[in-house]
Amino acid sequence: ELKVEQNPLFLSMQEGKNYTIYCNYSTTSDRLYWYRQDPGKSLESLFVLLSNGAVKQEGRLMASLDTKARLSTLHITAAVHDLSATYFCAVEVYGNKLVFGAGTILRVKS
Amino acid sequence: GAGVSQSPRYKVTKRGQDVALRCDPISGHVSLYWYRQALGQGPEFLTYFNYEAQQDKSGLPNDRFSAERPEGSISTLTIQRTEQRDSAMYRCASSLQPGLNTDTQYFGPGTRLTVL
Repeated sequence: ELKVEQNPLFLSMQEGKNYTIYCNYSTTSDRLYWYRQDPGKSLESLFVLLSNGAVKQEGRLMASLDTKARLSTLHITAAVHDLSATYFCAVEVYGNKLVFGAGTILRVKS
Repeated sequence: GAGVSQSPRYKVTKRGQDVALRCDPISGHVSLYWYRQALGQGPEFLTYFNYEAQQDKSGLPNDRFSAERPEGSISTLTIQRTEQRDSAMYRCASSLQPGLNTDTQYFGPGTRLTVL
């Protein structure tokens, strides 16, 4: 059974600081997603990472994928309050279904 | 109406009643997925369709749960004889074309089901 583990599960950051969220998964997959969820809202797609070594950046967020290590990272640069949300990684398995991690709650403090 | 829509947004029902949750995917999207999300957790896969064909129902918890997508567009998730443990947020997602490198699952707002 595929397991997807995120850490940390909760992250409190100061504005302007950098940090990384980690996503480990237990079986082979070549497609990994990062989603953002605001309280009471739906999930918003941030990145789709398709291959080993893939790196994508959008604003202050950068995601990377190492399929050999079965590891993805979401790096936050110079955090701002607007980035406060829950971030999920999800691994695609056979049949296109996604297996999600438990989520990382990010709080950026002024 | 560009996004995935779901109805009702909230449903409160009594234990033992049947409920039907509706999902209207993004127009033209081939694939439709149902997930269930407990509070403080990530979504958990239930089932999915390509067009009207149910491709995988391995995530449905038991035979009280069923889903259909008869015309390859709108889908209904039905829970019979609801139990309190069925209380959760039920989310639908759709994607344009499985197998496309750029394919992404877009999620709807969800239906919050509460079973009393």
